[in-house]
Amino acid sequence: AQKVTQAQTEISVVEKEDVTLDCVYETRDTTYYLFWYKQPPSGELVFLIRRNSFDEQNEISGRYSWNFQKSTSSFNFTITASQVVDSAVYFCALSEAAAGNKLTFGGGTRVLVKP
Amino acid sequence: SAVISQKPSRDICQRGTSLTIQCQVDSQVTMMFWYRQQPGQSLTLIATANQGSEATYESGFVIDKFPISRPNLTFSTLTVSNLSPEDSSIYLCSVASPDRADTGELFFGEGSRLTVL
Repeated sequence: AQKVTQAQTEISVVEKEDVTLDCVYETRDTTYYLFWYKQPPSGELVFLIRRNSFDEQNEISGRYSWNFQKSTSSFNFTITASQVVDSAVYFCALSEAAAGNKLTFGGGTRVLVKP
Repeated sequence: SAVISQKPSRDICQRGTSLTIQCQVDSQVTMMFWYRQQPGQSLTLIATANQGSEATYESGFVIDKFPISRPNLTFSTLTVSNLSPEDSSIYLCSVASPDRADTGELFFGEGSRLTVL
């Protein structure tokens, strides 16, 4: 069975600080996909990134970066030089090819960026 | 990408009544998914709605409580029946990314926030 754990329920930082969100996953499948979604106060989920299990390259997109390590089953997300607009709940999610690619979400991490 | 519209965006309902949530997509999609997000919680998949067949429900969710319709490839409804305060949640409609349907990547509507008194 697939499982996603986000141990941090809430992180509070001051603007311009970096913040790293942890995500640990469990899966028996060799083919799977990992995702990060952002849920701002307005409620909609915004897709941020998808990673497949065969691509461990880290990725950077502007102030966002992701560190995928299969050895530790982790897919961590870092926001560099945080801004107030980054305040949101961030969800890590997993889909397994064997499970029909249904998304399983972690519990979410609420990030509060103070000015 | 896909644009997903949900109605209502929010509603307050009385115990024992039912609420039907509509989901309209701006393109034809094979699978639509309904998720529930209880207050302060993560998202849980309720069911997968396929056009032309009955919805497939996840463990813990039953058709009598959450009947789903999927009359065509751009529309679906979720009804939450016999409401109780425990049903107070955000209900989200989602569709698979058209060109990445095999990855599980989803687009989400803005959600329908239900409060049951």
